[in-house]
Amino acid sequence: QEQLQQWGAGLLKPSETLSLTCGVFNGSFSGYYWSWIRQTPGKGLEWIGEINPAGSISYNPSLKSRVTISIDTSKKQFSLKLISLTAADTAVYFCVKARTYWGPGTLVTVSS
Amino acid sequence: DTQMTQSPSSLSASVGDRVTITCRASQDIKIYLAWFQQKPGKAPKSLIYAASNLQSGVPSRFRGSGSGTDFTLTISSLHPEDFATYYCQQYNTFPFTFGPGTKVDI
Repeated sequence: QEQLQQWGAGLLKPSETLSLTCGVFNGSFSGYYWSWIRQTPGKGLEWIGEINPAGSISYNPSLKSRVTISIDTSKKQFSLKLISLTAADTAVYFCVKARTYWGPGTLVTVSS
Repeated sequence: DTQMTQSPSSLSASVGDRVTITCRASQDIKIYLAWFQQKPGKAPKSLIYAASNLQSGVPSRFRGSGSGTDFTLTISSLHPEDFATYYCQQYNTFPFTFGPGTKVDI
């Protein structure tokens, strides 16, 4: 059965960099939209960005100056980097395949 | 950005009830609307895409309709496992945006 798994540091300090990776196990990877979405109690669900099957990447303008999304097809992995963290970046981060299948989520807390 | 609103923000219902949730976009999004269900502590689950198409495995009691700026999600007969929060999302224009959610509880 196909599974999306996520990993990365869950506790970071202000000004540090968030790095998360999403991998596909027992499933296909190429030819899909891959997205990152985050969720906070205050702002709800926020779309961070996505890469389309052609490899074109789109970012939310609100985060564009700080975010990088990348993909490694050979490893079946999809990654997110967010720099210059503040407390406002505290959220559960989800990777999403094909705009349909969500990973389990990773709670990232930014605190000094 | 395209703003998404939902009504009501919450509702109380009983098993067997018919439930309707409304989602409105601040501009024309054609049919590029999805609905998700989320239970506490879990990732959202996709229910409907392109406004009215049921994802594989989603029960037929869920129905989506609408186009342009006004959309609805209807649950024809509420089951116990349907108590959750429901979100709409537009994917017509970047950045994609979500509604604030509708919590369906007992």
